[in-house]
Amino acid sequence: QQQVKQSPQSLIVQKGGISIINCAYENTAFDYFPWYQQFPGKGPALLIAIRPDVSEKKEGRFTISFNKSAKQFSLHIMDSQPGDSATYFCAAMPTSGTYKYIFGTGTRLKVLA
Amino acid sequence: DTGVSQDPRHKITKRGQNVTFRCDPISEHNRLYWYRQTLGQGPEFLTYFQNEAQLEKSRLLSDRFSAERPKGSFSTLEIQRTEQGDSAMYLCASSRLAVRYEQYFGPGTRLTVT
Repeated sequence: QQQVKQSPQSLIVQKGGISIINCAYENTAFDYFPWYQQFPGKGPALLIAIRPDVSEKKEGRFTISFNKSAKQFSLHIMDSQPGDSATYFCAAMPTSGTYKYIFGTGTRLKVLA
Repeated sequence: DTGVSQDPRHKITKRGQNVTFRCDPISEHNRLYWYRQTLGQGPEFLTYFQNEAQLEKSRLLSDRFSAERPKGSFSTLEIQRTEQGDSAMYLCASSRLAVRYEQYFGPGTRLTVT
């Protein structure tokens, strides 16, 4: 069974702090790792993504760190803002020729003003 | 707005009824995907189309579910004889043929089966 495990389930951070969400995968090869942001009642929105040949990617306040040997990747949100309060999903796309994403279970982030 | 659109946004139906959802992908996106998301979970893949061809179906897609994309543009997802376990958010996404990885999601259709 292909799985992507995400933690923590929920996270509370003070405004200006760093939010860190972790994901790990096992048992299969993936070649694309996106992060999605979802607000209540909305569809997921692509935030940032990384390929396994890169160890880190930064876009504004959002950074993905990727550890291929440990099969782990994480999202860092720097200078977290109340507007970042949402549910974040990591995902992975297998290399087996499919085009489906396998999603983690989500992290509900709350940034306190 | 030229994003993915879905209709209806909400659907309440009684157990045993049939329902149909529509998805309009981003213009010129060749691939279209359907996912299902239950409360507190990440989206789960159901099926995808490349143009009008349905190329992959999940085991989650039981015989009561059918999806079509007749002209390679919009797609429909039909659920026959709905069950309470079908209650979920049904998400549609699309992507360009030349860009394998980036999928853009619509707002979803929230189905409640009573």
